Amino acid sequence: DIQLTQSPSTLPASLGERVTISCRASQSISNSLNWYQQKPDGTVKRLIYSTSTLESGVPSRFSGSGSGTDYSLSISSLESEDFAMYYCLQYATYPHTFGSGTKLEIK
Amino acid sequence: QVQLKESGPGLVQPSETLSLTCTVSGFSLTSYSVSWVRQPSGKGPEWMGRMWYDGDTAYNSALKSRLSISRDTSKNQVFLKMNSLQTDDTGTYYCTRDRRGSHYWGQGVMVTVSS
Repeated sequence: DIQLTQSPSTLPASLGERVTISCRASQSISNSLNWYQQKPDGTVKRLIYSTSTLESGVPSRFSGSGSGTDYSLSISSLESEDFAMYYCLQYATYPHTFGSGTKLEIK
Repeated sequence: QVQLKESGPGLVQPSETLSLTCTVSGFSLTSYSVSWVRQPSGKGPEWMGRMWYDGDTAYNSALKSRLSISRDTSKNQVFLKMNSLQTDDTGTYYCTRDRRGSHYWGQGVMVTVSS
C-alpha cells in the first residue's frame, strides 16, 4: 500500500497568514492526489483534485502543487472559515490511502 | 444536486455484522462509482472499498475477508456489510461518489462497537 506522510500534524496560524501543508507519498503517484477539508461536525469537502485543479466554488486562495512523491496545499491568506482539518488522498493505486491529517488552528 | 446519505445502526455488538445503506440522489449508480470510507475518532480516514458504476467491486485488502459491498440500482442504494466487528471498527462511516478519487461525501454515520 502507498503510505502518505502528511505534515505538520498541527499548524498554528493567524488570520491573513499564508500556510502550506505537505503530503509525501512512499512511491510516485503521478499527480493522483486530492486535498480535503473536514469541519468539526464531520462534513468533508474536496478542495483540489489531480494535484492542482480547484473544485468549483472553492476560493482561489487555495492552491495545490507537486509531482512524483511530493505534494502540497497552500492557503494564501487565511480566513476564519479555513481553520479545520485537512487530509490528502492518493487514488493512483488500490487501496486509496489518506494522509493522517493536519489540524489548522488559530494561533 | 448530488446527495448521499448513510444510514444504519449506531451500536453493534462485538463479533456481530454491520449493515449500512448509502442512499443517493442527483445521479445514477450506473454512471458513477461509490466508495465507502471510514474514520476512527481522532484519526485519518480509511478507504474501505468501491462499487463501480458497472457493478464490479474493489476492496481494501486489509478488510476484504470481512467486507461485502452491493447495490440496488432501482432504489439508488449501495450497501456495506462487514462481519466479525471488533471495538477498533468503531468510527464514522461515509459513502462517497467517486471521480478522480472520492468527490462528494455523505454526512457520515457514527458506528460504535460495544457490548
